[in-house]
Amino acid sequence: QQQVKQSPQSLIVQKGGISIINCAYENTAFDYFPWYQQFPGKGPALLIAIRPDVSEKKEGRFTISFNKSAKQFSLHIMDSQPGDSATYFCAASGGGTSYGKLTFGQGTILTVHP
Amino acid sequence: ETGVTQTPRHLVMGMTNKKSLKCEQHLGHNAMYWYKQSAKKPLELMFVYSLEERVENNSVPSRFSPECPNSSHLFLHLHTLQPEDSALYLCASSQNRGFEQFFGPGTRLTVL
Repeated sequence: QQQVKQSPQSLIVQKGGISIINCAYENTAFDYFPWYQQFPGKGPALLIAIRPDVSEKKEGRFTISFNKSAKQFSLHIMDSQPGDSATYFCAASGGGTSYGKLTFGQGTILTVHP
Repeated sequence: ETGVTQTPRHLVMGMTNKKSLKCEQHLGHNAMYWYKQSAKKPLELMFVYSLEERVENNSVPSRFSPECPNSSHLFLHLHTLQPEDSALYLCASSQNRGFEQFFGPGTRLTVL
């Protein structure tokens, strides 16, 4: 019940296209859903996050769509650029801990071709 | 130094060696984490320290021993590791219930 399932494992997109990564969760106690971006040789960095009281959050070219009833959320990258090529992780957190315990998805390797 | 730093960045060790990984956070946070990142697997949370007290140990084998001497420093002591322990070990920090975790660049560990 603590799993977060992420798909696809890898994604290839042309420059200017839309990249879509999907995640699903089971634990209804989760109340915070961040996406992390990781470049080779670097640690993951927070990209964008959403709480379940909203259905969508947009920051620049990055949008999270959240479907509470389906227990699914997705990351959309509009006008994808070669610089967006990285590994993306969805995550979920919640359950009353005093610290931010995150459960991560398996990751999606995004390649944007110029 | 800014953010979260980790040393060494790369480590090769034999199965009988003892080594330590070091993490330092310069963000004034009060929670620190160790994660293991293996290829094609989710990040695995290993240990959590909150206010210098270990609050979580996710069934990690005893050959991994964490130490948190103060809120800015975190160590992972390694002893008698196995080849399957080869992975990227990431340190992170956060502030209270601020779920944004700031990650270091990781230590790439290879066990021969």
